[in-house]
Amino acid sequence: QKEVEQDPGPLSVPEGAIVSLNCTYSNSAFQYFMWYRQYSRKGPELLMYTYSSGNKEDGRFTAQVDKSSKYISLFIRDSQPSDSATYLCAMSAGNNNDMRFGAGTRLTVKP
Amino acid sequence: NAGVTQTPKFQVLKTGQSMTLQCAQDMNHNSMYWYRQDPGMGLRLIYYSASEGTTDKGEVPNGYNVSRLNKREFSLRLESAAPSQTSVYFCASSEFPGSSRYFGPGTRLTVT
Repeated sequence: QKEVEQDPGPLSVPEGAIVSLNCTYSNSAFQYFMWYRQYSRKGPELLMYTYSSGNKEDGRFTAQVDKSSKYISLFIRDSQPSDSATYLCAMSAGNNNDMRFGAGTRLTVKP
Repeated sequence: NAGVTQTPKFQVLKTGQSMTLQCAQDMNHNSMYWYRQDPGMGLRLIYYSASEGTTDKGEVPNGYNVSRLNKREFSLRLESAAPSQTSVYFCASSEFPGSSRYFGPGTRLTVT
């Protein structure tokens, strides 16, 4: 079993839809949680960063962490075609060599 | 600020050839990393440098070596390339171990 599981999709939604992206993990020591967005043939760029449990909102994006269930989510409201990308979850216990990434979910938002 | 830069962007090697991938960051970060990204596998850590003067192995270090030249620069060397090293390589940096990684644009490497 992988330490981090992420549904690879692909996920296709119409413009304006609410998108929910999810990851589960097995290592209870993880306490830093991130979401990255990666456009085709580009490097991952940081979208959201949260510490421990709870919610964090930034514009149309909301990140949720439920440590008791070992489950994290990224919600995108009013999705736009420019949101079409692969979304990677990542998590770490705080050491240099323990950050683990999900395989990524490919999202397409159709106009 | 340029962030994290990598050279080259693309490279094709024959089996057994060697090459060095270069990476530099201008964010004054302490830690730097080399990852490879393969379809369905996510990003896997090859080597990292927690601070200037130190390097350590990650999950998949076999076939690679690294050099932390100074605080800004971290290079990855393939001594004898193999087809299994065909991948996209990303360099990243972070301010401290638990903080977010900032990634470069990547190097697409094909070994034939």
